[in-house]
Amino acid sequence: ILNVEQSPQSLHVQEGDSTNFTCSFPSSNFYALHWYRWETAKSPEALFVMTLNGDEKKKGRISATLNTKEGYSYLYIKGSQPEDSATYLCAFYSGAGSYQLTFGKGTKLSVIP
Amino acid sequence: GAVVSQHPSWVICKSGTSVKIECRSLDFQATTMFWYRQFPKQSLMLMATSNEGSKATYEQGVEKDKFLINHASLTLSTLTVTSAHPEDSSFYICSARDVLRGLNTEAFFGQGTRLTVV
Repeated sequence: ILNVEQSPQSLHVQEGDSTNFTCSFPSSNFYALHWYRWETAKSPEALFVMTLNGDEKKKGRISATLNTKEGYSYLYIKGSQPEDSATYLCAFYSGAGSYQLTFGKGTKLSVIP
Repeated sequence: GAVVSQHPSWVICKSGTSVKIECRSLDFQATTMFWYRQFPKQSLMLMATSNEGSKATYEQGVEKDKFLINHASLTLSTLTVTSAHPEDSSFYICSARDVLRGLNTEAFFGQGTRLTVV
């Protein structure tokens, strides 16, 4: 059973604050690490698919880093806005089997105006 | 981006009845789709992998006779919860990856179905 852990489980930040959260995953048999944003009443949407150790990806105010040797990824949000409020999921893909992803429980972010 | 459509978004049914949930990929051919279930405060847990034209692959502990999966075309997979009981009440969501574009492609999700069995 693959173990994908996310922390914290939830957090509240003030509008304008920057924040970050963590995803840890198995460091062996790594193929890719995905980040998704899941807003209430909507479908999860992909933010990043990361494959290379040391990789850093950015989309607007959101960025992510990847350390495959130690098995963790950080997601950063700069200058949080209320519309960033969502649950952020990470998912591990080992490259084996039939393409399924193993998800963490998510980090629920609430940005207070 | 690709779209996956899932219906219904919510359903309430009586104990003992069956419920069918549909998942469609609207603009790519999905040879493989995934069905997840999520209980409160838990992860999305993979129930089964739906393969077009062949039998689904079920995860350990998921009853294949209770959760019937049919993937008869490249754009449609269905999950039927048979003889539903209150403990089957949960959030069910499907996803698909367009792996013909490569193994690094993201997953696209349906909107999810909230099932309540009374």
